[in-house]
Amino acid sequence: SQQGEEDPQALSIQEGENATMNCSYKTSINNLQWYRQNSGRGLVHLILIRSNEREKHSGRLRVTLDTSKKSSSLLITASRAADTASYFCATDWGDKIIFGKGTRLHILP
Amino acid sequence: DAGVTQSPTHLIKTRGQHVTLRCSPISGHKSVSWYQQVLGQGPQFIFQYYEKEERGRGNFPDRFSARQFPNYSSELNVNALLLGDSALYLCASSTGPVQGSFFGQGTRLTVV
Repeated sequence: SQQGEEDPQALSIQEGENATMNCSYKTSINNLQWYRQNSGRGLVHLILIRSNEREKHSGRLRVTLDTSKKSSSLLITASRAADTASYFCATDWGDKIIFGKGTRLHILP
Repeated sequence: DAGVTQSPTHLIKTRGQHVTLRCSPISGHKSVSWYQQVLGQGPQFIFQYYEKEERGRGNFPDRFSARQFPNYSSELNVNALLLGDSALYLCASSTGPVQGSFFGQGTRLTVV
């Protein structure tokens, strides 16, 4: 399977803290994407990072990519209640796009 | 500007029936992908179409088929429905096959 795997499967943190999620994959990729999903509905694209990039930022989000370790991390700083969601990494493999099983993030008030 | 629209939002079908799900991409987007998501799992890739041609196919049986129309909208067809086909079906559009995708809200299919 070429599926990416997120770690941890679930994460609960206090509002205001930082949340870090990791994604590992098995083969070479062209790019890696992170998505958020609220309540089992449509996914929202967060960040795309290409294989020749090591780090990208978008607002409170920071994504790193280590192709030598075949891993990526998503950092959400200063978490808010609205960040409660499932987060998925997605990698391309040929003409397929493979999602992991996701990390369920719960922000506690 | 409308996002990705999917219809219907909910659907109940009986085993053995067939179903057609529809997706309209964001204006200007030429790539449409379909995913199946069962509860507690990540989306599973079914098809990708770009410029009306199939660009990728996931590990789904031949009961699943799709097509993309000249206006870049797309249909996903599933024949001989099984209970295990019950899932959220997501459509995503993008400007190209390797760009970040915009997802619709999905069609929740229940097979009874």
